[in-house]
Amino acid sequence: DAGVTQSPTHLIKTRGQQVTLRCSPKSGHDTVSWYQQALGQGPQFIFQYYEEEERQRGNFPDRFSGHQFPNYSSELNVNALLLGDSALYLCASSHRTSGYTGELFFGEGSRLTVL
Amino acid sequence: QQPVQSPQAVILREGEDAVINCSSSKALYSVHWYRQKHGEAPVFLMILLKGGEQKGHEKISASFNEKKQQSSLYLTASQLSYSGTYFCGTEISSGSARQLTFGSGTQLTVLP
Repeated sequence: DAGVTQSPTHLIKTRGQQVTLRCSPKSGHDTVSWYQQALGQGPQFIFQYYEEEERQRGNFPDRFSGHQFPNYSSELNVNALLLGDSALYLCASSHRTSGYTGELFFGEGSRLTVL
Repeated sequence: QQPVQSPQAVILREGEDAVINCSSSKALYSVHWYRQKHGEAPVFLMILLKGGEQKGHEKISASFNEKKQQSSLYLTASQLSYSGTYFCGTEISSGSARQLTFGSGTQLTVLP
């Protein structure tokens, strides 16, 4: 049973560029959340998708956008990259109908460096 | 608002005990605990729900004081494998979404 997979694992961009990160959730999960983790900090919630729509959003600008596909996989897009966007981007999957607050399964992340 | 974790770091010997605390200024529905080893994904340890329900790890326990909005994670008889950064994540409502607000983490190092 494959867990959460993310790609690419590492990438380097320059300021002003755009980036797309990809996530495949754990088998059987229908909900994908994205988190940004700066060095030495805890993950910060960006947004969450289920049923192909953004359902909740954290305190991130519109430069951060996403998409969820019918197979539940998801993309995170960041436009007009800033130096401060350098971070580990984590994808977490869960099932919406877990019945109670259930655990999140995290991928190993995509390490983005903006120069 | 981000929960506050303490201590920021702790070093102990194998077999010793440790306590990690998490405090929030907001009324909480649940507290989650995750452990992240260097270069790896965060891994679920424990959920504590308002009302006392608890689900989690076999060898790690935790408490949730709803009145004080505080949670503590208890690591007893630490093993080398316990080393890593521990994060608490908090939820303020019981919605189906898992929007967690994480603390800055507590770095735990277990020495032989």
